[in-house]
Amino acid sequence: EDQVTQSPEALRLQEGESSSLNCSYTVSGLRGLFWYRQDPGKGPEFLFTLYSAGEEKEKERLKATLTKKESFLHITAPKPEDSATYLCAVQPLYGNNRLAFGKGNQVVVIP
Amino acid sequence: DTEVTQTPKHLVMGMTNKKSLKCEQHMGHRAMYWYKQKAKKPPELMFVYSYEKLSINESVPSRFSPECPNSSLLNLHLHALQPEDSALYLCASSHVPGLGSSNYGYTFGSGTRLTVV
Repeated sequence: EDQVTQSPEALRLQEGESSSLNCSYTVSGLRGLFWYRQDPGKGPEFLFTLYSAGEEKEKERLKATLTKKESFLHITAPKPEDSATYLCAVQPLYGNNRLAFGKGNQVVVIP
Repeated sequence: DTEVTQTPKHLVMGMTNKKSLKCEQHMGHRAMYWYKQKAKKPPELMFVYSYEKLSINESVPSRFSPECPNSSLLNLHLHALQPEDSALYLCASSHVPGLGSSNYGYTFGSGTRLTVV
């Protein structure tokens, strides 16, 4: 069974204090790993797709990396507007068209 | 157009009402999804449509009835819901995996906040 574990569950950061979120996964063949940002009461906002180990993608203060077992979302010099829940999801290479979601990393950035 | 549009944004319904949630996308995606999300939980898959045909039903109670009238539209018909069905209902779309597109990212709508009273 495909499994996704995100850590830490919750994180409080001072503005400007860089940190990393972890997404560990077990899947029988990876088609893609996705990172989303979700604000309360809103739908998930797409951030990145990673397809193969060694791949890295960046967007503003966020950088996502991928290995064969885990992905990291690095937040550099965060601002209060980066406060959100960050969701990681994997899509298996075989089988039905499903995403397996982790429980999310809830990030609060304090001014 | 890179959006998935859901209506209404908020819905309050009684347990005997019939209502529908609507979802529309114009990105050429041929896979569309309904998810249910409770507070502080990840989205849970309910239904998947691929080429306008229902391909996955995650054992969802029959009081939820999906419909895909065409490649751009997805509906979720609601009838005789229970208070525990109150949640954020999310629609998403994507390319169908395995057909040459390298972008399988799901695009989500902003959701319908449903309250059953």
